[in-house]
Amino acid sequence: SQQGEEDPQALSIQEGENATMNCSYKTSINNLQWYRQNSGRGLVHLILIRSNEREKHSGRLRVTLDTSKKSSSLLITASRAADTASYFCATASLLTSGTYKYIFGTGTRLKVLA
Amino acid sequence: EADIYQTPRYLVIGTGKKITLECSQTMGHDKMYWYQQDPGMELHLIHYSYGVNSTEKGDLSSESTVSRIRTEHFPLTLESARPSHTSQYLCASSPGKESEITDTQYFGPGTRLTVL
Repeated sequence: SQQGEEDPQALSIQEGENATMNCSYKTSINNLQWYRQNSGRGLVHLILIRSNEREKHSGRLRVTLDTSKKSSSLLITASRAADTASYFCATASLLTSGTYKYIFGTGTRLKVLA
Repeated sequence: EADIYQTPRYLVIGTGKKITLECSQTMGHDKMYWYQQDPGMELHLIHYSYGVNSTEKGDLSSESTVSRIRTEHFPLTLESARPSHTSQYLCASSPGKESEITDTQYFGPGTRLTVL
């Protein structure tokens, strides 16, 4: 399976509800990022959490990271129809060469119903 | 909105044609990337560059080639397109130095390629 698997694959909720999506990964990471992608568009960076952080907030977004379980969650509170998009996690791992690589997860497709 | 542009946005061509997908950024970023993404699927890194005259292959084997003659320009070329190349191609750039790991990527809008 992929580094950076997300669940659920798809999620439909009513406007005003909270949306939670999860990301699991396999190797040690330096940081984990969440991106959003509107249909047919490129990705937009939402938030970055470092491996020594456990929780981070940005507006209606809350990200948690559990390095012991190799998992992260993204919570969107008070969702809006405009939050409808696909959400991807990306893990950054430092390579022995001194460079690093990002691996994107499989994505969660969120649909917020008005 | 990030200052990174891709052209064309949509391209439908026949098998065997040579195509070049353009990507330009005006942010002065050293690092640039090409990803391939099938609908509803994860992104796969196919090429990246850490600066002018530097290009590397990514994780996913690709028959495409790239060049980086200018900082702002990172075109991707397919010498002979095939139906298996049908996909969305996303270009991205990031501002950090090669050793920086907390680096945010800025994505272009993508090129949706269909090879008949």
